Amino acid sequence: AQKVTQAQTEISVVEKEDVTLDCVYETRDTTYYLFWYKQPPSGELVFLIRRNSFDEQNEISGRYSWNFQKSTSSFNFTITASQVVDSAVYFCALSEGLGETSGSRLTFGEGTQLTVNP
Amino acid sequence: GAGVSQTPSNKVTEKGKYVELRCDPISGHTALYWYRQSLGQGPEFLIYFQGTGAADDSGLPNDRFFAVRPEGSVSTLKIQRTERGDSAVYLCASSLWARETQYFGPGTRLLVL
Repeated sequence: AQKVTQAQTEISVVEKEDVTLDCVYETRDTTYYLFWYKQPPSGELVFLIRRNSFDEQNEISGRYSWNFQKSTSSFNFTITASQVVDSAVYFCALSEGLGETSGSRLTFGEGTQLTVNP
Repeated sequence: GAGVSQTPSNKVTEKGKYVELRCDPISGHTALYWYRQSLGQGPEFLIYFQGTGAADDSGLPNDRFFAVRPEGSVSTLKIQRTERGDSAVYLCASSLWARETQYFGPGTRLLVL
């Protein structure tokens, strides 16, 4: 069975600090997808990134960057120069890529509450 | 274009009552998903539709929960004989095809008294 672990329940930083959110996953499949979603206080889950298991290139999007390492089953997320608007709960999620039906459900971690203080 | 919409945004009901929660996916999306999120937890998968059919309903907790998508667009999640433990936020998501990125709606917050 697949599993996602986000060991950091809460993180608090001061504005402009860099912060890294950890995500470790377990799967027996060789084909899978990894995701990060942001859930601000309004409650709606906002898609940030999707990564497939065959692409280990790190990705940067503005102040956001993602580090995918299959060797350690990790998909960590870094926010550079954090801002107050980054305050939210961040979820890492996994979907296995096999079959017409089993490849679609997302398994989420417990989430990391990030608070950026001014 | 419009995102995923869900109605109602909040629903308060009494134990034992029947409720229906509605989801309107992004236009053209063939896949639709329901998840449930309890306070302080990550969303948990309930059911996935490809077109009109429930392709995977293995996440439904028991037979009081049922969902339909009769025309391959709007979906309704139905809960019979509600219990206090059903209180949660029910999230709907849609994707263009199976295994594509899922986009979530704002959720329906269900409170069973």
